[in-house]
Formats: sequence, C-alpha cells, structure tokens
Amino acid sequence: GQQVMQIPQYQHVQEGEDFTTYCNSSTTLSNIQWYKQRPGGHPVFLIQLVKSGEVKKQKRLTFQFGEAKKNSSLHITATQTTDVGTYFCAGKAGTASKLTFGTGTRLQVTL
Amino acid sequence: AAGVIQSPRHLIKEKRETATLKCYPIPRHDTVYWYQQGPGQDPQFLISFYEKMQSDKGSIPDRFSAQQFSDYHSELNMSSLELGDSALYFCASSRGQGSYGYTFGSGTRLTVV
Repeated sequence: GQQVMQIPQYQHVQEGEDFTTYCNSSTTLSNIQWYKQRPGGHPVFLIQLVKSGEVKKQKRLTFQFGEAKKNSSLHITATQTTDVGTYFCAGKAGTASKLTFGTGTRLQVTL
Repeated sequence: AAGVIQSPRHLIKEKRETATLKCYPIPRHDTVYWYQQGPGQDPQFLISFYEKMQSDKGSIPDRFSAQQFSDYHSELNMSSLELGDSALYFCASSRGQGSYGYTFGSGTRLTVV
C-alpha cells in the first residue's frame, strides 16, 4: 500500500533558526496537504499543493511539491516558539478520497 | 464558525466491552473520515463516508463498524475492545472529498483497561 515517510522524525532548534521537513511518497500523488498538530491537539490544515513543482508561501512557511509529485518539503524561516508541534504531510493517490498521513516531524523550539 | 464536534472527549472501557464514538461534521461538508492515532504515531485512516455512503476503507478491524446518518453525523462502533485499541480517535470532515483540506475534531481519547 501507499507509504509516506518524513524526515527527520524529530528536530530541536533554537528560536530564530530555520527548519525543514521532507516528505516522500512511495506512489505518485494527486495532491499533498500539510497539517500541524500541537501537543495534545488535533491536526490543523495548513495548505494543499496540487501542481508539479508548485511552491506556496504562508508568511515564514514555504511549501514545495516535487516535479515528480512524489515528494514535498516544508521550510520554516526563523522559527518561533509558537511553531512547536508535529508537522505531517498527507497525500492522496489517484481518485481515492482518503489522505495517507506521513510519519510526521516533531519540532521543538527553545529560546 | 462551527467546528467538527466529537463526543465523548474521553472514554474508559474495560476489555471486551463496546464503545460508540460520535462525530458531528461541519454543516454542508459532504465527507466524514475516521482516523486512529496511537501515542507518538501518525493518524491511521479507518473509514470514510461521502454523502452518507461508505467511500473508502482503511485498516479498520472487523470488530469496528461505522455509519453516517441522515443528519450527516457519524458513529464509530467498537466491540470486543482490546488493550491495543487505546488511542485517540479523530473524526474529520471536508467538502469536495477533501479538495479543500480536512477539518479535524478534537478527538476522543479511548482508554481500554
């Protein structure tokens, strides 16, 4: 079945440093979504990418979808303590309605 | 704005008991999804409903069943509970079968003792 892996599993940065998480799917995706889950919370939708090579920005967050539509990345510039949480990519393959979540990257930010 | 409502928030059951989790999606959302998340794990897809019909099925045990009712709320029924069923159960809803992202509820934390 479809597998979506993320690296790293965990990253600890100091406030102000940059952070990147990488997402790789075993199958070609029709689209990819990114979610953030705070400790003790539920996943919150951040963004969706659909086109090959697409790049989208949300303030300090930059999202990319690979040319082959099998990988994606999320880059956070100048992290803040409010960025703490687990970032999941989630992909759809073909016409399936379900999202397969990646393994997640847990980000810890300290002062 | 209305969110996805799940009840109960917490549930403690003994082994071999049954549990029913409820989900009330955002009005006018046409698809409901159930996910199971173990500690430190990613959410695992269980089942989904589009316009009250089952649309997709994931790694849902045979002991579990789900349905969506005429008012669009959904219930996840779990029988013969096992210790390994202890997890967070999230319901999410979307419109356009997720083309605009999923909105998750706050989850039900099930503990089986």
